Amino acid sequence: QKEVEQDPGPLSVPEGAIVSLNCTYSNSAFQYFMWYRQYSRKGPELLMYTYSSGNKEDGRFTAQVDKSSKYISLFIRDSQPSDSATYLCAMSVRRGGSEKLVFGKGTKLTVNP
Amino acid sequence: ETGVTQTPRHLVMGMTNKKSLKCEQHLGHNAMYWYKQSAKKPLELMFVYNFKEQTENNSVPSRFSPECPNSSHLFLHLHTLQPEDSALYLCASSQVSRPDTQYFGPGTRLTVL
Repeated sequence: QKEVEQDPGPLSVPEGAIVSLNCTYSNSAFQYFMWYRQYSRKGPELLMYTYSSGNKEDGRFTAQVDKSSKYISLFIRDSQPSDSATYLCAMSVRRGGSEKLVFGKGTKLTVNP
Repeated sequence: ETGVTQTPRHLVMGMTNKKSLKCEQHLGHNAMYWYKQSAKKPLELMFVYNFKEQTENNSVPSRFSPECPNSSHLFLHLHTLQPEDSALYLCASSQVSRPDTQYFGPGTRLTVL
């Protein structure tokens, strides 16, 4: 079983739709949970950061963590064509004396006008 | 220049060539990272430098040789690469105390013929 599972999609939605992106993980030692957004021909940029179970909201974006189920989600409300990108989940874990990020494969999202 | 920059943005090389990738961060960070991003695979951590000292080599083949002359610059020297090394190579930086919050450059798209 991979440490982090993320459906690569692609996911295509109409403008204005609510988007739900998800990752599951197997390692209960993961401490912090991040969502990165990667536009085509760009590097990933940190979008959301959470460290405990529950919801965190930032504008149209909500990150949700359920540690008991080992499941994290990113919701995008009122999706816009500018949200079209690949979304990567990432989790941090202490390993070999230092903290590392473990990434999902990324989900490619297209929002159609 | 702001953030993390990488040059060149695109590189095509033969298997017998020697080339170098360059990364520079303008964020005052003291940790730098090299990642490999291949299609349909998660980001793979290659090397970590903290205060310009290498602290992580994630079993990377010796045909990849990193160099970190100071906390702002990171190089990846390439020689006798294989076609399967074709990928997007991403540089990232962070504070040593905050490896969970990394800032990425735009990447170098490498094609090995």
